[in-house]
Amino acid sequence: AQTVTQSQPEMSVQEAETVTLSCTYDTSENNYYLFWYKQPPSRQMILVIRQEAYKQQNATENRFSVNFQKAAKSFSLKISDSQLGDTAMYFCAFMNSGGSNYKLTFGKGTLLTVNP
Amino acid sequence: SQTIHQWPATLVQPVGSPLSLECTVEGTSNPNLYWYRQAAGRGLQLLFYSVGIGQISSEVPQNLSASRPQDRQFILSSKKLLLSDSGFYLCAWSSGLAGETQYFGPGTRLLVL
Repeated sequence: AQTVTQSQPEMSVQEAETVTLSCTYDTSENNYYLFWYKQPPSRQMILVIRQEAYKQQNATENRFSVNFQKAAKSFSLKISDSQLGDTAMYFCAFMNSGGSNYKLTFGKGTLLTVNP
Repeated sequence: SQTIHQWPATLVQPVGSPLSLECTVEGTSNPNLYWYRQAAGRGLQLLFYSVGIGQISSEVPQNLSASRPQDRQFILSSKKLLLSDSGFYLCAWSSGLAGETQYFGPGTRLLVL
């Protein structure tokens, strides 16, 4: 079974600075998908960024980018120019591309606080 | 564009009472639908998923059940709630294609007393 590990329960960063959230996963599959979701205090899960394992290029969405290291099974999220609105719980998630391609496996999350 | 609705937003129920949470999706047809539960301080756990009307798969044996009476409607039910059913319930949808992103609704906070 796939597992997703987020080793940082909590992190904080000053407004306008850069922060990196860590995520590692365990799988024997070669093709899969990785996601970062954000859960603000409203608790709605919002997609931040998505990465297909077959793509070597790291995904980028505005201030959010990932460092995908397939061999190391690592998928970190970098937030540049942090804003107060980035304060949220961040979840890393894994999805297989095979028969169980519906199931998202989540890490336990990292609570990020952006300080003014 | 697609939107997903859940209601109620908050629910307080006594132990042993029934439960019905509803999820509807607009702007798409034949979506995959999912129910997740998030316990306090933890990640999300998939409870049920559906790839079509009347087709329900359960991931975790428990006190809950799910039904899909219409293409874009997904219902989470229980005949008798337990204290351990308390949590935050999220509905999500995706297209039927492999590896597609799941998009989540606003969630329902359930407190069983």
